[in-house]
Amino acid sequence: SQQGEEDPQALSIQEGENATMNCSYKTSINNLQWYRQNSGRGLVHLILIRSNEREKHSGRLRVTLDTSKKSSSLLITASRAADTASYFCATDWRTSGSRLTFGEGTQLTVNP
Amino acid sequence: GAGVSQSPRYKVAKRGQDVALRCDPISGHVSLFWYQQALGQGPEFLTYFQNEAQLDKSGLPSDRFFAERPEGSVSTLKIQRTQQEDSAVYLCASSLQGLAAREQFFGPGTRLTVL
Repeated sequence: SQQGEEDPQALSIQEGENATMNCSYKTSINNLQWYRQNSGRGLVHLILIRSNEREKHSGRLRVTLDTSKKSSSLLITASRAADTASYFCATDWRTSGSRLTFGEGTQLTVNP
Repeated sequence: GAGVSQSPRYKVAKRGQDVALRCDPISGHVSLFWYQQALGQGPEFLTYFQNEAQLDKSGLPSDRFFAERPEGSVSTLKIQRTQQEDSAVYLCASSLQGLAAREQFFGPGTRLTVL
């Protein structure tokens, strides 16, 4: 399977703390994206990082990509209760066309 | 509308029934994707359209699954002779261009329960 893996599967932290989620994948990729999903809702795009980029920032989000290790991390700084959600990484690779392959997700709980 | 809409939001079907799930993408979006999401899992790709052309249907799990987008806008995912293993959330997404490098905008999904 081309599907990536994410760890941890679940993460529980206090408001104000940082949250780090990791994603690994199996094939060479074009791009890696992170999405958030609140319970019962669709996915919301957070950030896209290209295979030739190593780090990207967007507000409180920081994404890193290590293509040699086929891994990425998502850091959320100064977390808020509203950040509670499931977070998924998704990749597309050279022979996949436009389809995205999602990881199994990390369930983040931020306690007030 | 402002976002991707899907209907119905919830569907309960008896095993063996046919169902049709509708997706209204963002106006002007060329690409449309269907994904299946089992409980506690990430979405899995089903099929992809660029305008009215179905360019990739490799993710459809069986020939009971059929998708169409006849006029290049609204899409329908049809499941014939539903089975219990078809129970899942079906997500539709659209994007502006055909390249996967673009972010995909997701609808809220249709939760299908097959009894």
